[in-house]
Amino acid sequence: GAVVSQHPSWVICKSGTSVKIECRSLDFQATTMFWYRQFPKQSLMLMATSNEGSKATYEQGVEKDKFLINHASLTLSTLTVTSAHPEDSSFYICSASYSGGPGVNTGELFFGEGSRLTVL
Amino acid sequence: QKEVEQNSGPLSVPEGAIASLNCTYSDRGSQSFFWYRQYSGKSPELIMSIYSNGDKEDGRFTAQLNKASQYVSLLIRDSQPSDSATYLCAVNRPDRGSTLGRLYFGRGTQLTVWP
Repeated sequence: GAVVSQHPSWVICKSGTSVKIECRSLDFQATTMFWYRQFPKQSLMLMATSNEGSKATYEQGVEKDKFLINHASLTLSTLTVTSAHPEDSSFYICSASYSGGPGVNTGELFFGEGSRLTVL
Repeated sequence: QKEVEQNSGPLSVPEGAIASLNCTYSDRGSQSFFWYRQYSGKSPELIMSIYSNGDKEDGRFTAQLNKASQYVSLLIRDSQPSDSATYLCAVNRPDRGSTLGRLYFGRGTQLTVWP
């Protein structure tokens, strides 16, 4: 099956620093990746959609200058939380859709393991 | 109106019972429907997908879809304590210019199966 790997699985940083989270599709090429954020006891909130080779599309209310997304290859997307603050502490999850294989044109997503960010 | 709504629960059933999880969606253009299971502190994992009206069975899980009523459900037979988790309903519809579309998630239903 399609495997998505996310790193780091958890990170603690000081307020004001930047944190980069990587999302890799290990056995397929991901033309589209999605970044979600989940606060405790709440559902997944889509932050942005990234397409390989083009700019990410951000959801309303998500600051694109704060959450930088780069999808430079078909197997790697990165999310950088810039100048992190305690309110950015959350569980960040990436997912990828597969074009040309399992889930093609069905919207099926394969999720990474998630990254828990704690900003002190 | 939210895109996807679920009965928030929590739902508590005894081991061996049938757990029934419900979900409604607002957009008739939705094409694909998914149930994800999420254990505490973990990311969601896909357990069922359904694309056409009717029932789809996979082991102890049965997904039911009724597009006319805009309703999708998940039944878990012979529930086990290991089934205790939050179950997320997700619906896909094509956005403009995209055939894959994006997933809209419900808030999830927390299920507890007690021994």
